[in-house]
Amino acid sequence: GQQVMQIPQYQHVQEGEDFTTYCNSSTTLSNIQWYKQRPGGHPVFLIQLVKSGEVKKQKRLTFQFGEAKKNSSLHITATQTTDVGTYFCAGMGSGNTPLVFGKGTRLSVIA
Amino acid sequence: DTEVTQTPKHLVMGMTNKKSLKCEQHMGHRAMYWYKQKAKKPPELMFVYSYEKLSINESVPSRFSPECPNSSLLNLHLHALQPEDSALYLCASSHPLRGPIDYGYTFGSGTRLTVV
Repeated sequence: GQQVMQIPQYQHVQEGEDFTTYCNSSTTLSNIQWYKQRPGGHPVFLIQLVKSGEVKKQKRLTFQFGEAKKNSSLHITATQTTDVGTYFCAGMGSGNTPLVFGKGTRLSVIA
Repeated sequence: DTEVTQTPKHLVMGMTNKKSLKCEQHMGHRAMYWYKQKAKKPPELMFVYSYEKLSINESVPSRFSPECPNSSLLNLHLHALQPEDSALYLCASSHPLRGPIDYGYTFGSGTRLTVV
């Protein structure tokens, strides 16, 4: 079945440093979504990428979808303490299959 | 209304108890989901309802029984659970399963279940 790998598992950064998490699927995806889950919270939808090579920005967050639609990345510029949480990628295969979540990257930001 | 509401927020139950988790959304979403999330793990899909019909059951044990009474409500009936079933149970909703989803899944805040 479809698998979505995500690295790194943990990332500790100083406030102001950049952060990147990477996602890789075993199969071609119809779209990929990114979610953020704060400690003690629930996943919150950030963005969806659909097109090959797509790049989208949300303030300090930059999301990319690979040309082959099998990998994706989330880059945060100049992290802040409010960025703390676990970032999940979630891929959707063909045929409208439900989302498959990556294991997530837990981001800690040291002030 | 752009929320998915789950009740209760916390639940402690014995292994012989019967309880139900409830989920409600009024966004007109026609796909609803139950996920189970253990600590420091990703959400794990349990069930999918599409247009009030069960479309996916990810080989979930029969002690978990979903129900979708109407397009706004989703229940999860629990019976004879085991301590290892303790987890955060998340409900989510989205647009119907046709074509790429435009706005992602909207998750409720979850029910934190402890089985003793």
